[in-house]
Amino acid sequence: AQSVTQLGSHVSVSEGALVLLRCNYSSSVPPYLFWYVQYPNQGLQLLLKYTSAATLVKGINGFEAEFKKSETSFHLTKPSAHMRDAAEYFCAVRAYGGSQGNLIFGKGTKLSVKP
Amino acid sequence: DGGITQSPKYLFRKEGQNVTLSCEQNLNHDAMYWYRQDPGQGLRLIYYSQIVNDFQKGDIAEGYSVSREKKESFPLTVTSAQKNPTAFYLCASNSVQGAFGLTNTGELFFGEGSRLTVL
Repeated sequence: AQSVTQLGSHVSVSEGALVLLRCNYSSSVPPYLFWYVQYPNQGLQLLLKYTSAATLVKGINGFEAEFKKSETSFHLTKPSAHMRDAAEYFCAVRAYGGSQGNLIFGKGTKLSVKP
Repeated sequence: DGGITQSPKYLFRKEGQNVTLSCEQNLNHDAMYWYRQDPGQGLRLIYYSQIVNDFQKGDIAEGYSVSREKKESFPLTVTSAQKNPTAFYLCASNSVQGAFGLTNTGELFFGEGSRLTVL
């Protein structure tokens, strides 16, 4: 079975500081992993995805994530936070079988950026 | 432009009334999904459909119903049996098969959401 855990429901950083959002996964098969971003009252937008090619994945808006099999992690980073990065971020893993549809989502991490 | 359209964006309902949320996609995707989002709880799957005239319950299907009469459309009805319907509802879709022989990664495409408030 697959599952995702996002560490920290709220993260606050100063503008220009490093952003680090943590995601750990559990999967009995090689995983496909995703990060989505959601701005208030909007749908989810794909930031980046890992599909078993390069372990360091670059996405939109300057974000990147590194797949570490030994740590079962897929943490999201950005070197320098901008005010427009304030949003909620969801990590997800592809599901196989069961009633969980196609992706299993973490509970989300809300990122605040202080001026 | 291809995409997923949800309507209405905001909806108010009195207790005891049924309400239907619309979801239409022109991406030629086979599968469609409905999620419910509550603060701090992430996304929870209500129903999904991988083919016309067939659908499966997700984790929180009680009090909801769906239909899939056309590939492009997957409406969700929130019935009076749903005890706490106030939430943000998200529709999503994807292809069951990967494009051009590529592996289907499971990537979902989302609509803009519908916010339902019960008065």
